[in-house]
Amino acid sequence: DQQVKQNSPSLSVQEGRISILNCDYTNSMFDYFLWYKKYPAEGPTFLISISSIKDKNEDGRFTVFLNKSAKHLSLHIVPSQPGDSAVYFCAAGLGNSGYALNFGKGTSLLVTP
Amino acid sequence: DARVTQTPRHKVTEMGQEVTMRCQPILGHNTVFWYRQTMMQGLELLAYFRNRAPLDDSGMPKDRFSAEMPDATLATLKIQPSEPRDSAVYFCASGLPRDYGYTFGSGTRLTVV
Repeated sequence: DQQVKQNSPSLSVQEGRISILNCDYTNSMFDYFLWYKKYPAEGPTFLISISSIKDKNEDGRFTVFLNKSAKHLSLHIVPSQPGDSAVYFCAAGLGNSGYALNFGKGTSLLVTP
Repeated sequence: DARVTQTPRHKVTEMGQEVTMRCQPILGHNTVFWYRQTMMQGLELLAYFRNRAPLDDSGMPKDRFSAEMPDATLATLKIQPSEPRDSAVYFCASGLPRDYGYTFGSGTRLTVV
């Protein structure tokens, strides 16, 4: 049963505009949330994270928002660049589960010039 | 840059054959994960180890899959016998205690014909 869901398989955004990637989860016990970025023929790379005690975390052009009551998180990329084109995976973890992550199926972002 | 090394990068095998995938975690990382990526399921956790001891392998089909860490520098994932439905990209990742942002290898793309 998928505990982390990314309902948009793909997203296309123009360069310079904002990209918003969404993620929903079902397990209210998750205490840590992350976004990973994946290019073709490479492994996922860690992008940004947020713990359940916060509602926002920012790192340069990337901001993750967490809405615990709605069990929803989102990744904002501003401004979007062509090099951001990749598959983005949302992930969630439980500290008492050995820090293993549950991943969504991913959203493919295409940033067009 | 420290990296997780997976071999082979690609493997094509016939149904019924044994397949062994290898992973060299980053030196000093004592937690090792095996994930499988398919179009239908996204990234699924198969098994993970801490200090070479298996913590959870509930994601693996037990009758045909096995995962081991013979030593701290090598993790293996074996499929015997392989089936076409095992075709996927298998990722290994390693990390430190209390670290969710672990590092993935580039994956082994397995095709079973």
